[in-house]
Amino acid sequence: NAGVTQTPKFQVLKTGQSMTLQCAQDMNHEYMSWYRQDPGMGLRLIHYSVGAGITDQGEVPNGYNVSRSTTEDFPLRLLSAAPSQTSVYFCASSYGGSGYTFGSGTRLTVV
Amino acid sequence: GQQLNQSPQSMFIQEGEDVSMNCTSSSIFNTWLWYKQEPGEGPVLLIALYKAGELTSNGRLTAQFGITRKDSFLNISASIPSDVGIYFCAGLGTGNQFYFGTGTSLTVIP
Repeated sequence: NAGVTQTPKFQVLKTGQSMTLQCAQDMNHEYMSWYRQDPGMGLRLIHYSVGAGITDQGEVPNGYNVSRSTTEDFPLRLLSAAPSQTSVYFCASSYGGSGYTFGSGTRLTVV
Repeated sequence: GQQLNQSPQSMFIQEGEDVSMNCTSSSIFNTWLWYKQEPGEGPVLLIALYKAGELTSNGRLTAQFGITRKDSFLNISASIPSDVGIYFCAGLGTGNQFYFGTGTSLTVIP
């Protein structure tokens, strides 16, 4: 039981490049979310999903896309990377209203 | 988004001291959570609170769900060096999503 697995752990992108951050969970959780963490700003919700085929925007969705084709996977796509997207990204999953289980994060730098 | 205000922002304490931190919101939440994050890792759930007035303990940690449902408190008794980290509160809000506070950074001086 691996929990929530995020890849890659580190990534450097050039401005304008696109990439996909991967997230997979093996706990059969229906809820999955993506957060970004910036100094002094805590964790801010980017996008979330309440089940396969269902996604919705969080607080800071601009510049990001998500899809949820399976219960297990919830990738986050950066369409055209900008320096403002330099951050640590966390994927999390939960069952119903219980607390989220977090992955160990992806540290992204956009230059 | 739904704002959660955590205080204090940071704490520097001596080993053995007790710690108190709190989280307030302008919105009512039906669930409050407390997480701890260590460097280079994702947050880990410490305590979950589901009812106004609830007081729950996990070892040396005690958390309370405020009766107004707009606040929550976390206490750590007899701190030790491994308590170092950032502590986040989270409330279950609209869209059945969790909204996080900005964190309290705890440093324990041996």
